[in-house]
Amino acid sequence: QSALTQPRSVSGSPGQSVTISCTGTSSDVGGYNYVSWYQQHPGKAPKLMIYDVSKRPSGVPDRFSGSKSGNTASLTISGLQAEDESDYYCCSYAGSYTWVFGGGTKLTVL
Amino acid sequence: EVQLVESGGGLVKPGGSLRLSCAASGFTFSTYSMNWVRQAPGRGLEWVSSITSSSGYIYYADSVKGRFTISRDNAKNSLYLQMNSLRAEDTAVYYCARVTYYYDFWGQGTMVTVSS
Repeated sequence: QSALTQPRSVSGSPGQSVTISCTGTSSDVGGYNYVSWYQQHPGKAPKLMIYDVSKRPSGVPDRFSGSKSGNTASLTISGLQAEDESDYYCCSYAGSYTWVFGGGTKLTVL
Repeated sequence: EVQLVESGGGLVKPGGSLRLSCAASGFTFSTYSMNWVRQAPGRGLEWVSSITSSSGYIYYADSVKGRFTISRDNAKNSLYLQMNSLRAEDTAVYYCARVTYYYDFWGQGTMVTVSS
């Protein structure tokens, strides 16, 4: 049950693209196509942004995309906007009804 | 509209107990697995416990195993977390969340503070 590894912070200017990585093991990220990503603004509950590695829930802009290669998943935000500034967490199913989260990444829009 | 509303948080002394509740509405509660997820102040999210729709499977994070008990009452559309032998490191906002292989709905959270 070790946390997934995310960069502590990333930044980008409006209109640019940023990618947040999420590294796990073959027991979680690499073993299942059940990686999800959450956006969390201060004092608020997390919001689902990507599920099943690359699927977007209704209402999430198509600027948000997800992918996975081996034990590393990635969230890419293109066309950065000021309102994208937030904390982002990855999460992976780890088998036997257990889940593991990443440590979180703070996105700053410059 | 799906709603999850947690309650029961508060200030408790180390070694004490609390019972959290989560009232669900807007969906067929009895057909979904549910989880508790917590977030310590200034820290990341941590999966705490999961329970399947009919309570057939229950799992805990190692950090709470033997001290916390998850349960549900499908007739009351409610999820619970009984927390015993609380420690300072259990201080966190506790969220209940609906889960398939991802968390599509979250409650607003309830704060638990363990301090003397």
